[in-house]
Amino acid sequence: NSKVIQTPRYLVKGQGQKAKMRCIPEKGHPVVFWYQQNKNNEFKFLINFQNQEVLQQIDMTEKRFSAECPSNSPCSLEIQSSEAGDSALYLCASSLKGQLSNERLFFGHGTKLSVL
Amino acid sequence: GDSVTQTEGLVTLTEGLPVMLNCTYQSTYSPFLFWYVQHLNEAPKLLLKSFTDNKRPEHQGFHATLHKSSSSFHLQKSSAQLSDSALYYCASNYGNEKITFGAGTKLTIKP
Repeated sequence: NSKVIQTPRYLVKGQGQKAKMRCIPEKGHPVVFWYQQNKNNEFKFLINFQNQEVLQQIDMTEKRFSAECPSNSPCSLEIQSSEAGDSALYLCASSLKGQLSNERLFFGHGTKLSVL
Repeated sequence: GDSVTQTEGLVTLTEGLPVMLNCTYQSTYSPFLFWYVQHLNEAPKLLLKSFTDNKRPEHQGFHATLHKSSSSFHLQKSSAQLSDSALYYCASNYGNEKITFGAGTKLTIKP
């Protein structure tokens, strides 16, 4: 069973509403990734953290999303103003290491966002 | 830029036949390669990963060989089982802090 906990499992929002999802990484994992899995099952990298610091993020995330990984609290990803195209499964994953290693990613079950 | 290519979007096979899912990568570095599997309504999980010492990783009957000469890390299994039906993703860690995933291959095994 996955030890990366994502909440909520399902999220339904109207266009223009904020949508916030949370992730508790596996204990002891300093690196956290967020991916968007679209209806074609493709993974799009959104952002990653090492402890509380952002390592890398794509342009869309920088402009439309708010994300953080505070110490001793769940990580969060929030869409500031939801669009229909944001409907997807948002996957959180954690790892012991990020940069150039063969450490695996441990994934949560995801938050399925539907924007009506 | 760095990328991972999976050429087959859908693969349908009969139980008992061999499986081969293609994965090639493009990079100026020598990345680490991974195969992840996602069963229906489950979280993706690691199936196997490449090693620095050229060992061939194997798990649940699947294996993959990293060929640097052809930039490939194809996934193989000698005999497909019904329970192998799932989404399979090839992924790479190029050292730029994000892990890149291929587009995925949906494998369906029929009786």
